[in-house]
Amino acid sequence: DTGVSQDPRHKITKRGQNVTFRCDPISEHNRLYWYRQTLGQGPEFLTYFQNEAQLEKSRLLSDRFSAERPKGSFSTLEIQRTEQGDSAMYLCASRRHTEAFFGQGTRLTVV
Amino acid sequence: ELKVEQNPLFLSMQEGKNYTIYCNYSTTSDRLYWYRQDPGKSLESLFVLLSNGAVKQEGRLMASLDTKARLSTLHITAAVHDLSATYFCAVDIDDYKLSFGAGTTVTVRA
Repeated sequence: DTGVSQDPRHKITKRGQNVTFRCDPISEHNRLYWYRQTLGQGPEFLTYFQNEAQLEKSRLLSDRFSAERPKGSFSTLEIQRTEQGDSAMYLCASRRHTEAFFGQGTRLTVV
Repeated sequence: ELKVEQNPLFLSMQEGKNYTIYCNYSTTSDRLYWYRQDPGKSLESLFVLLSNGAVKQEGRLMASLDTKARLSTLHITAAVHDLSATYFCAVDIDDYKLSFGAGTTVTVRA
C-alpha cells in the first residue's frame, strides 16, 4: 500500500491547451474523488466514482472537464481549452469505508 | 446547501499556550474529519470522529464532536512551532462526500 498517487505533480500549460491528470488510488478502495483547491480555500468537491461508475459531478465541473475511471482502478481528469481560472491544486482521494486518503495533488498553472 | 464554517480563519499562537479551533456545520451528520495541510502539500488525516460525543487525542491535539450542536472543536495544548499549518474540518455528507471548511491557518510564535 503506497498511498494515493497523482501524476504529474506540477503542470504549466498555455491557455487553450488540454491537460490530463492521473490518479492511482489505494488498491481495493472502491471510492475515488477529485477535489480542486485554490489558494487560501478549502478543497471543493468536483466528482465522485464508486468503482467505475461516476455517481456525482459538481456544478463546478463545467463541460470542459471530464473524468473517467475505467475498470474501477486509476482515474483521469481532463480539462479541455484551459483557462486561467483553472489554475489550482487538483487533489485526488480514495476511500474504502470511513477514512479518505488524499494524494499529493497536481498543481496546475495556466499562463 | 451545506455550510461548514471554521473560526478563526487565522490563529497566531504563542508557544506553550492552549487554543481551540471551532468547526460549525449546517446539516445533520455524525461523521467529521480533521486534516492538516502544510504549505504546498496535500492533506494529512488527523482525526476521524464517527459519533456524537466522540473524542480523540493525538499528542498535543484533541478533537471532539457534538452532533446535536453541529459543532466540532480542535484543541491545541501547549502549542509548539511544529504545529504551524492549516487545519481543515470536513463533514461527511450522505456517507460518501466530504465538504470542507475554509481552513484555519495556524502560526506558532516563540
